[in-house]
Amino acid sequence: AQKVTQAQTEISVVEKEDVTLDCVYETRDTTYYLFWYKQPPSGELVFLIRRNSFDEQNEISGRYSWNFQKSTSSFNFTITASQVVDSAVYFCALISNNAGNMLTFGGGTRLMVKP
Amino acid sequence: DTAVSQTPKYLVTQMGNDKSIKCEQNLGHDTMYWYKQDSKKFLKIMFSYNNKELIINETVPNRFSPKSPDKAHLNLHINSLELGDSAVYFCASSHRSGTYGELFFGEGSRLTVL
Repeated sequence: AQKVTQAQTEISVVEKEDVTLDCVYETRDTTYYLFWYKQPPSGELVFLIRRNSFDEQNEISGRYSWNFQKSTSSFNFTITASQVVDSAVYFCALISNNAGNMLTFGGGTRLMVKP
Repeated sequence: DTAVSQTPKYLVTQMGNDKSIKCEQNLGHDTMYWYKQDSKKFLKIMFSYNNKELIINETVPNRFSPKSPDKAHLNLHINSLELGDSAVYFCASSHRSGTYGELFFGEGSRLTVL
């Protein structure tokens, strides 16, 4: 069985603040993939990043960065200098080799960035 | 061109009716999915399907059935609609070739059962 937990249901920050969204996962498989998706108020799901279990290098893409730590089963997402347009629900997700090709999502974190 | 498209975007219907939501992808992907997003934004997989196998989430009632006329389409049929079926349904597609690529999602279909 696989499980993704996003303990923060809602975060509110003021523009230009840095914010970190937490993600903790559970799986018995040694090969798995982790994802982050963004769901803005318009409702569509936007892919942000995919990371496989053998690649623990942290990644930076503009104001976004991801910290993958296998030792703590975490895949946290940081937005630097947040902007109002970052306001959205962010989902962490996991798929593993033996999960029947089913992507399991966390409950999502609603981020509100105020001007 | 829209990569994954769903129709209709909005559907309002009465309890007990049967309805379908259509999904098409033009990405050449071999695997398609249906997800349900409830009012609390929780996303749950319903089905995963490629031309070889259908994988069903065991918690999905058998009133829900996916139908795939070809690789590019995966439609969702729902019989005897209930109030609790009200949700946003997302179709998605991906490559499945031993590694798991990103899922491309449609824009969602909001179903309201009265």
